[in-house]
Amino acid sequence: SSELTQDPAVSVALGQTVRITCQGDSLRSYYASWYQQKPGQAPVLVIYGKNNRPSGIPDRFSGSSSGNTASLTITGAQAEDEADYYCNSRDSSGNHYVVFGGGTKLTVL
Amino acid sequence: EVQLVESGGGLIQPGGSLRLSCAASGFTVSSNYMSWVRQAPGKGLEWVSVIYSGGSTYYADSVKGRFTISRDNSKNTLYLQMNSLRAEDTAVYYCANYDSSGHYSAFDIWGQGTMVTVSS
Repeated sequence: SSELTQDPAVSVALGQTVRITCQGDSLRSYYASWYQQKPGQAPVLVIYGKNNRPSGIPDRFSGSSSGNTASLTITGAQAEDEADYYCNSRDSSGNHYVVFGGGTKLTVL
Repeated sequence: EVQLVESGGGLIQPGGSLRLSCAASGFTVSSNYMSWVRQAPGKGLEWVSVIYSGGSTYYADSVKGRFTISRDNSKNTLYLQMNSLRAEDTAVYYCANYDSSGHYSAFDIWGQGTMVTVSS
């Protein structure tokens, strides 16, 4: 099955812009979705499809894609954005599997 | 309000069986794609299984042949029957609504999770 690779940790200064990336062959065929997870809580979907935000997700979250790399951008990071972020996509093998990235710990300084 | 509530987790010995339940409210389980995702302590998310609205089921290689996903339409509830449990199955198990348009897959509604601990 496919794999998705994320940087384990990223940091950003309060109010600055940060990009979290996700790489994998399946991203050449499918858009990534992105999840925010805070300690002790269930994941929350923040971006899906080409660049769609579920209701209630601030517009400082955006998504993009190029080749085998998907990116989640937070423009003007806030303290409450400190969390783990995961990407996922369908497996491109046609086997109906779903794959997740290993996650990125975002620290807001 | 759209909500998923899992139950059935607990401590189980290696080789044992456990059935997780996920009660849905605010939407119909049988009309949607539903999935189980797990997270081992301190680790990332791992997809476990999916059941499509038509009834087709798929499993991660790590659980194939041991886990069975199903639903009870009358109870609007999703299940995960877990047999031959191993220590590496220890995790928080989340049920989630799975939105798959063809060009993306997204888990847009999540339960709070239920902890499964496999240990002697």
